[in-house]
Amino acid sequence: EAQVTQNPRYLITVTGKKLTVTCSQNMNHEYMSWYRQDPGLGLRQIYYSMNVEVTDKGDVPEGYKVSRKEKRNFPLILESPSPNQTSLYFCASSFVDRTYEQYFGPGTRLTVT
Amino acid sequence: AQKVTQAQTEISVVEKEDVTLDCVYETRDTTYYLFWYKQPPSGELVFLIRRNSFDEQNEISGRYSWNFQKSTSSFNFTITASQVVDSAVYFCALGNQAGTALIFGKGTTLSVSS
Repeated sequence: EAQVTQNPRYLITVTGKKLTVTCSQNMNHEYMSWYRQDPGLGLRQIYYSMNVEVTDKGDVPEGYKVSRKEKRNFPLILESPSPNQTSLYFCASSFVDRTYEQYFGPGTRLTVT
Repeated sequence: AQKVTQAQTEISVVEKEDVTLDCVYETRDTTYYLFWYKQPPSGELVFLIRRNSFDEQNEISGRYSWNFQKSTSSFNFTITASQVVDSAVYFCALGNQAGTALIFGKGTTLSVSS
């Protein structure tokens, strides 16, 4: 089954403790992206990647890092999480020439205390 | 700058009422895509429809219909005979020509009561 998976789905952590949210897709998609969703703000793009080793900032990249060492994986790294990074995070993927057909993961709800 | 505006933050209706969710977009791209997503209380994003900028045909899918008007930069979504299961947050989104991002509106929370 074609899918985008995210792990963990729920995470409660403390300020400053490094964490990684994984995103994996099994569709051989070149394009992958991370969004965060906050009440009243909709979804905003954090980072995206057009292919392996090619990443770029979205609208709200501060406090996040990404890497794209393999085509199927696009982890989101929070080196020193802060409470303002409490949010619902979505990963998405698509073929690079068909980014109008993005597949979204189920979301990761992160709480930073 | 590209932008999507969903002016209605919350809408409450009673079952069987028709309801229209508004979406206004801004872009200078000549080619772009417009989307609607549904986010039920469970949190996942459910794709509803995609329209490209060259296709202004309105679309109907069951109780759902969409009205795309380039002249007013609007892509409105109507639910006919609403049901409780339609209660969700609905997002309108714009895909940029470069294909690097979806720009989402802030969402409209629809509550349908029985």
